[in-house]
Amino acid sequence: GAGVSQSPRYKVTKRGQDVALRCDPISGHVSLYWYRQALGQGPEFLTYFNYEAQQDKSGLPNDRFSAERPEGSISTLTIQRTEQRDSAMYRCASSLAQASYEQYFGPGTRLTVT
Amino acid sequence: LAKTTQPISMDSYEGQEVNITCSHNNIATNDYITWYQQFPSQGPRFIIQGYKTKVTNEVASLFIPADRKSSTLSLPRVSLSDTAVYYCLVGDNNNNDMRFGAGTRLTVKP
Repeated sequence: GAGVSQSPRYKVTKRGQDVALRCDPISGHVSLYWYRQALGQGPEFLTYFNYEAQQDKSGLPNDRFSAERPEGSISTLTIQRTEQRDSAMYRCASSLAQASYEQYFGPGTRLTVT
Repeated sequence: LAKTTQPISMDSYEGQEVNITCSHNNIATNDYITWYQQFPSQGPRFIIQGYKTKVTNEVASLFIPADRKSSTLSLPRVSLSDTAVYYCLVGDNNNNDMRFGAGTRLTVKP
């Protein structure tokens, strides 16, 4: 079956612009997670949802970052007024069970802020 | 305070068994031990999860001693394609606090 998909796969934007990253989880998966991964490091947790409810946003770096999952399926991570330090791979994952450690990851969106 | 400690890197040769040990001295009663594999340019992939003793699947085995303060991921007869970063995570399977560390970079040589 179809796995987790993310779009765009690559995004280059100028400093100060807003970007929206999309995640389409595996059908029927209850929970959806966002991570950020720098080169050579493990994924860093940002936030997650059970259905449409955002459960934990403690990992969001600052208030320029926000996420939503309005219908409990597709999610969007938005970064406002991007800065060069936001450049990273942004990964989305989903799980069948709520808040599960068995997560399935998408291919990621490589964000470059120039 | 890091929840897990694992070697930064390991080298092996094709056909050998590889054992990667993870220390988690402060593991809680409700915590499970989960391992992920990540190939370059791909997202992490769930390998195996266990609570105690031994768990085996088609990819790996996970050995957990009685005190649960450590665990060992065992990969039988590795091939070049097993070259990847392996992450050990510890946490409550019903309360998402999944935090990846730096992982163990395994390099399999011919």
